[in-house]
Amino acid sequence: ETGVTQSPTHLIKTRGQQVTLRCSSQSGHNTVSWYQQALGQGPQFIFQYYREEENGRGNFPPRFSGLQFPNYSSELNVNALELDDSALYLCASSSELATNEKLFFGSGTQLSVL
Amino acid sequence: GQQVMQIPQYQHVQEGEDFTTYCNSSTTLSNIQWYKQRPGGHPVFLIQLVKSGEVKKQKRLTFQFGEAKKNSSLHITATQTTDVGTYFCAGKRSGYSTLTFGKGTMLLVSP
Repeated sequence: ETGVTQSPTHLIKTRGQQVTLRCSSQSGHNTVSWYQQALGQGPQFIFQYYREEENGRGNFPPRFSGLQFPNYSSELNVNALELDDSALYLCASSSELATNEKLFFGSGTQLSVL
Repeated sequence: GQQVMQIPQYQHVQEGEDFTTYCNSSTTLSNIQWYKQRPGGHPVFLIQLVKSGEVKKQKRLTFQFGEAKKNSSLHITATQTTDVGTYFCAGKRSGYSTLTFGKGTMLLVSP
């Protein structure tokens, strides 16, 4: 167990709806990264939060947004859902914004968009 | 942007055979990390390589980082059914804090 928890574990939405995914980072970790993993693919970086500020963003449209709270937990919001948004969404925490920090992943939220 | 490529995409071996997966980055990396994801699970950190030409071993697993810090490999000796899963390499560029993952190599081991 990594200590990173994500909720919900599964979610079914319809096209055009909005969704909020939640992540609690491991104790002592102040950096949270969000990844999207489509079936059979590697995790694709969405964005990273460090001490409540966005620190880096991947090639995702603005309808993907996020927040980090003072306790370092985080949310991923996706507006105007599209069918291609169906994927496993992974949250990963790390202890510092350093180049040699490993990631501790949560179990993910499986999102299905119908 | 940075790209990380892995080959092969998939490999099926008999238990006891060796396995190797290769990782190549389009840019020089400050470090490379390897993760394993079991079917239905999430990626779990295996190891990090930082130095040019570095070799690290974990029991039957051997990890190498290329001299130019643009490629890496993972070799498993005498595979076991517990090695089943997808192995991802993930690289960081100097000055960046984010990891770019490859598409992974799925390993199937038949008893």
